Amino acid sequence: DVKVTQSSRYLVKRTGEKVFLECVQDMDHENMFWYRQDPGLGLRLIYFSYDVKMKEKGDIPEGYSVSREKKERFSLILESASTNQTSMYLCASSLKPTGGRQPQHFGDGTRLSIL
Amino acid sequence: GESVGLHLPTLSVQEGDNSIINCAYSNSASDYFIWYKQESGKGPQFIIDIRSNMDKRQGQRVTVLLNKTVKHLSLQIAATQPGDSAVYFCAEKDNNDMRFGAGTRLTVKP
Repeated sequence: DVKVTQSSRYLVKRTGEKVFLECVQDMDHENMFWYRQDPGLGLRLIYFSYDVKMKEKGDIPEGYSVSREKKERFSLILESASTNQTSMYLCASSLKPTGGRQPQHFGDGTRLSIL
Repeated sequence: GESVGLHLPTLSVQEGDNSIINCAYSNSASDYFIWYKQESGKGPQFIIDIRSNMDKRQGQRVTVLLNKTVKHLSLQIAATQPGDSAVYFCAEKDNNDMRFGAGTRLTVKP
């Protein structure tokens, strides 16, 4: 089974802090993603990466950055946390599709509160 | 069905009944579709997927139906069990993007 592990289930930080969310997958997947999930809304893509050292902006990248130094690890960084970044953050990974499509596999999320 | 509003659609079924959860998608270029289950406090769990060259796919107790003409996707769960209680949402993918619905909350009454 695919295992996507997010380092923290719950985090409480203060406005203006720099926040790091870590994600590790153990299935040698090329693709990794960061989403945020807010009540009643679908998942919204923040950033994604198709390879080591590679990153692409998603739909809502403002206020975030990412790092992918190793294939198995994808970090999300809140440069200066704000209260509107209080949310559930979900990391996902998938295989690079070979002639077809591949599902994304998710971690259990980090519930981040910014005070 | 799916909603992007603040309140999730809800479906309540009796244990043992069949459940049907619906999803309307908007992008006619989407060619890959996935259903996820999300239990409280957990991340989304992959249930079943279907490509656009198919209109039906079956798994264990689950069936996904795809109607490309009306851009509609459904998930059928046979003999629904209390452990099936969760939020279910669909995802659609074209060449570039994957889009997720907000979900439907399924409650199974014993």
